[in-house]
Amino acid sequence: ETGVTQSPTHLIKTRGQQVTLRCSSQSGHNTVSWYQQALGQGPQFIFQYYREEENGRGNFPPRFSGLQFPNYSSELNVNALELDDSALYLCASTLGETQYFGPGTRLLVL
Amino acid sequence: GENVEQHPSTLSVQEGDSAVIKCTYSDSASNYFPWYKQELGKGPQLIIDIRSNVGEKKDQRIAVTLNKTAKHFSLHITETQPEDSAVYFCAPENYGQNFVFGPGTRLSVLP
Repeated sequence: ETGVTQSPTHLIKTRGQQVTLRCSSQSGHNTVSWYQQALGQGPQFIFQYYREEENGRGNFPPRFSGLQFPNYSSELNVNALELDDSALYLCASTLGETQYFGPGTRLLVL
Repeated sequence: GENVEQHPSTLSVQEGDSAVIKCTYSDSASNYFPWYKQELGKGPQLIIDIRSNVGEKKDQRIAVTLNKTAKHFSLHITETQPEDSAVYFCAPENYGQNFVFGPGTRLSVLP
């Protein structure tokens, strides 16, 4: 086990709604990254947070936003959901160069 | 940006045989080369990694080799077992940047 947890495990939303996904990292892991993984593809980098500040962003629109909290938890928020947002969302905390992934939240947008 | 490819995309081997997956990348500044295993319903798990100052690293049945000149690194699994069946991803990094994963290789180990 990696010590990284995510909630919820599954979620169904309708197009146009907003969603918040949560991640809890290991103590001492100051960096958290979020990824989107479409079915049959590799994870795509959304953004990274380091000590509560965004520290890098992939090719995702501003309706994808995040927060990181001092207690090593973090959130991914997606506004105005689109059908193509259906995917597995992974968070990963980092210690050194090693990323530790959570099990993911599977989001289905109808 | 970084362009990452993996070959083959699918691989089937008999139990006990060896499996090799190759990852090619484009960013010559990449200096950290991990391999992840993703089982059904789980997130990717780091199985082995190598840094740019090392050519080869082994951990029991798993090994990784790096050719920085040619910009590729490979995952080697010997004496494969059914529990090795999974999707494998490479994700070369440049000092914690360039979080680009390869498209994955689905390995099936047939009993």
